Amino acid sequence: DVKVTQSSRYLVKRTGEKVFLECVQDMDHENMFWYRQDPGLGLRLIYFSYDVKMKEKGDIPEGYSVSREKKERFSLILESASTNQTSMYLCASSSRTDTQYFGPGTRLTVL
Amino acid sequence: GQQLNQSPQSMFIQEGEDVSMNCTSSSIFNTWLWYKQDPGEGPVLLIALYKAGELTSNGRLTAQFGITRKDSFLNISASIPSDVGIYFCAGSTKTSGSRLTFGEGTQLTVNP
Repeated sequence: DVKVTQSSRYLVKRTGEKVFLECVQDMDHENMFWYRQDPGLGLRLIYFSYDVKMKEKGDIPEGYSVSREKKERFSLILESASTNQTSMYLCASSSRTDTQYFGPGTRLTVL
Repeated sequence: GQQLNQSPQSMFIQEGEDVSMNCTSSSIFNTWLWYKQDPGEGPVLLIALYKAGELTSNGRLTAQFGITRKDSFLNISASIPSDVGIYFCAGSTKTSGSRLTFGEGTQLTVNP
């Protein structure tokens, strides 16, 4: 079975802090994705990566950056957290079939 | 860009009833996926469809890839309380690469 893990289930940070969200997949998938999910707004793509060291902006990249140094790991970075980044963050991975497998999510609260 | 219209937005049913939900699009899709999300958890893949007309079952769940490639439906038979959650459709097109377009979800409530 595909397994996607995220470093934290719950995280509380203060405004202005630098925040790292880590995602690891164990299926040698080429593609990895970061989404945020907010009530009434659905799933919105922040960034994705189709190979090591490669990244593409999604629909809402502002305020975020990413890093993919190894194939199995994709990190989302909030350079200076703000309260409007309080959200559920979901990581996913896929191979060439486009079927994405999601991690359990990180509920981030920025105070 | 592509949009997926998912309906209904919510359903309230009695345990034992069958459920049907669907997604439609104005664009042709190459892949249709159905996910379920429990509160506070990530979406879990239920069924993946890769071919027009394909009908696939997973236990009490059945999904079909529409012949026109612009729609898909998910049926749940004999619902049980643990079916409660949000069901999402998602799909990819020829031009979307590895990106998915998601429906807005169907919130299912099952009364025992």
